[in-house]
Amino acid sequence: EAQVTQNPRYLITVTGKKLTVTCSQNMNHEYMSWYRQDPGLGLRQIYYSMNVEVTDKGDVPEGYKVSRKEKRNFPLILESPSPNQTSLYFCASSLGHRTTEAFFGQGTRLTVV
Amino acid sequence: GNSVTQMEGPVTLSEEAFLTINCTYTATGYPSLFWYVQYPGEGLQLLLKATKADDKGSNKGFEATYRKETTSFHLEKGSVQVSDSAVYFCALANAGGTSYGKLTFGQGTILTVHP
Repeated sequence: EAQVTQNPRYLITVTGKKLTVTCSQNMNHEYMSWYRQDPGLGLRQIYYSMNVEVTDKGDVPEGYKVSRKEKRNFPLILESPSPNQTSLYFCASSLGHRTTEAFFGQGTRLTVV
Repeated sequence: GNSVTQMEGPVTLSEEAFLTINCTYTATGYPSLFWYVQYPGEGLQLLLKATKADDKGSNKGFEATYRKETTSFHLEKGSVQVSDSAVYFCALANAGGTSYGKLTFGQGTILTVHP
């Protein structure tokens, strides 16, 4: 079954404690990205990757890091989380062409206190 | 830059009512247009898409037509069901440069259907 798997689904952490949200896809997609979803703002892209070792900033990259060492994995790293990073996060993968469907993980609800 | 504007929500309907969710966009070039749906506790999944002007996307009784002259992609369904209760997102994808593969989303519309 084609899927994007994120972990954890829920996470409560304290300000400044480094965390990683994992993302893995089994469709051999080149393009992967991270979005955050906030009420009234829809989804906004944080970072994206066009292939292994190729990553770039999206619209709201401040406070986040990513890496792409393998094609299937694209972890999101918050080195020093702050309360304004409390949000619902989604990983997505696709073939990367404008006409193709993006597949989304189930989401990670992060609360930073 | 690219942007997508959806009608304000939430939308509350009775079962079998007609649904319209408005979506307009601003983009350069020739974007593809999508509707994604998010059921409670789940990630987004593609509902339908249209990749060029005048194309009609359809799925599960939902339809939307790519109108370049009005830069719109309104979602419609003739008779909604309780199981259609979800959040609906209009999105566009543009070609080339730093827009490669990127989706630009509207703010989402919460739909609640009552029996």
